[in-house]
Amino acid sequence: DVVMTQSPLSLPVTLGQPASISCRSSQSLLYTDGNTYLSWFQQRPGQSPRRLIYKVSNRDSGVPDRFSGSGSGTDFTLRISRVEAEDVGVYYCMQTRHWPQTFGQGTKVEIK
Amino acid sequence: QVQLVESGGGVVQPGRSLRLSCAASGFTFTDYAMHWVRQAPGKGLEWVAMTSYDESSKYYANSVEGRFTISRDTSKNILYLQLNSLRTEDTAIYYCARVVNGSPKNWGQGTLVTVSS
Repeated sequence: DVVMTQSPLSLPVTLGQPASISCRSSQSLLYTDGNTYLSWFQQRPGQSPRRLIYKVSNRDSGVPDRFSGSGSGTDFTLRISRVEAEDVGVYYCMQTRHWPQTFGQGTKVEIK
Repeated sequence: QVQLVESGGGVVQPGRSLRLSCAASGFTFTDYAMHWVRQAPGKGLEWVAMTSYDESSKYYANSVEGRFTISRDTSKNILYLQLNSLRTEDTAIYYCARVVNGSPKNWGQGTLVTVSS
């Protein structure tokens, strides 16, 4: 199985400051169609997951532009340009290139 | 708007069976692949199963292969997950999700399955 490794697992941040989460996969997520199948999800306390980013860097509609994704191959990053109170929660990366599809362990973002 | 509503969860003894349902609305059900994803209490997300839009392809996590079966009723717009030979480690909230652009975009609110004697 493809192992997704996130870091850090806990991320205390100051309101208005940037934050960054890393996700590394044990195999390349590049597919023969030219797309790289790496997504990011946010799960606020008590809520269902919400997709923020698909195919590395494509933001879903309604997602604030302070969220951005980047990376290639096996190394990916989710950035929040200026953290707001509503960004508190757990963030997961997920690969959908290989079967079985797999999630990272999750990164808990909290306000300092 | 897209709506996914899971049901069928509950408390069940180890070794028994349960069938989860996910009622879909707001989109053409037969056009989209669908996933089940679960989350054990206080833990992270675990992908469980996926069916293609026409059920021609189905995939399962190693942990449920041979015990769980994903299916869909296109006449009722319902996605199912049949859970057999349940184990205590299957205790989790089970979410259904619609695949858009290669990954789960829309998620339901989840249904809780508790496996306990």
